[in-house]
Amino acid sequence: RKEVEQDPGPFNVPEGATVAFNCTYSNSASQSFFWYRQDCRKEPKLLMSVYSSGNEDGRFTAQLNRASQYISLLIRDSKLSDSATYLCVVLKRGGGADGLTFGKGTHLIIQP
Amino acid sequence: DTGVSQNPRHKITKRGQNVTFRCDPISEHNRLYWYRQTLGQGPEFLTYFQNEAQLEKSRLLSDRFSAERPKGSFSTLEIQRTEQGDSAMYLCASSQQSPEAFFGQGTRLTVV
Repeated sequence: RKEVEQDPGPFNVPEGATVAFNCTYSNSASQSFFWYRQDCRKEPKLLMSVYSSGNEDGRFTAQLNRASQYISLLIRDSKLSDSATYLCVVLKRGGGADGLTFGKGTHLIIQP
Repeated sequence: DTGVSQNPRHKITKRGQNVTFRCDPISEHNRLYWYRQTLGQGPEFLTYFQNEAQLEKSRLLSDRFSAERPKGSFSTLEIQRTEQGDSAMYLCASSQQSPEAFFGQGTRLTVV
C-alpha cells in the first residue's frame, strides 16, 4: 500500500461548483498534514496545513480524520484559476520537512 | 528574487554522461532537500541536508547519485553514467524550522 494515496482524477468541474478531494495515508504515526498545489510545469507550493479540528482559508476547507487516516480538501465556488494538481502531503515525524511524503496528486480542471 | 534557485532549468544529455545540478536555497534556511518528480507522480524524496550535513538518503538514491552541500549554503546533485530512467524533474526545496518546504522551479533532465 502506498504511504499516501489520492484519486488522480482528472476532476472536471464547472466554474462555481464545489469540489472535494480525499487522501488516505498508511502511517498512523504521521504527525502533520498539508495540501500543496502544483500548476502545470511549475513547482509545488503550500496551499494550507491541515489540523485535527479542521481549518478554513477563504474558499478552501481542510479536514483530518485520524481514526480513519484520511484527509480532505473542499473547494467552494471554484474559479478557473483553481485548475491545478493538488498534492496531499504527510509528515512522517516531527521536526523539519525531511519527512514529507507526497501523494501522486489529484488533477483538477475547472471548466467555464 | 529571494526564492529557491535551481540551474540549469533544462538539461539534455546522452546516456552514460555525467550531469550536475545546482540549488541555491533561501538564504536563512538551514535545511535543503532534493526530490525527483516524474510525469503523473508526486515528488519523491531523495536526500536531505541540515547545514552541510547530509542526514538522510532515500533508497532511490543509487550509487550513481551524489549530493553535496559543502558550506551549508548551495547544494549540488550529480548523476554519473546517466540512464534513460533518470529522466525526470529534479526539485530542490529549503526550509527553516517549520515543516513547510519552499521549492525551486526544478531542473528538467532528459537522457537520450
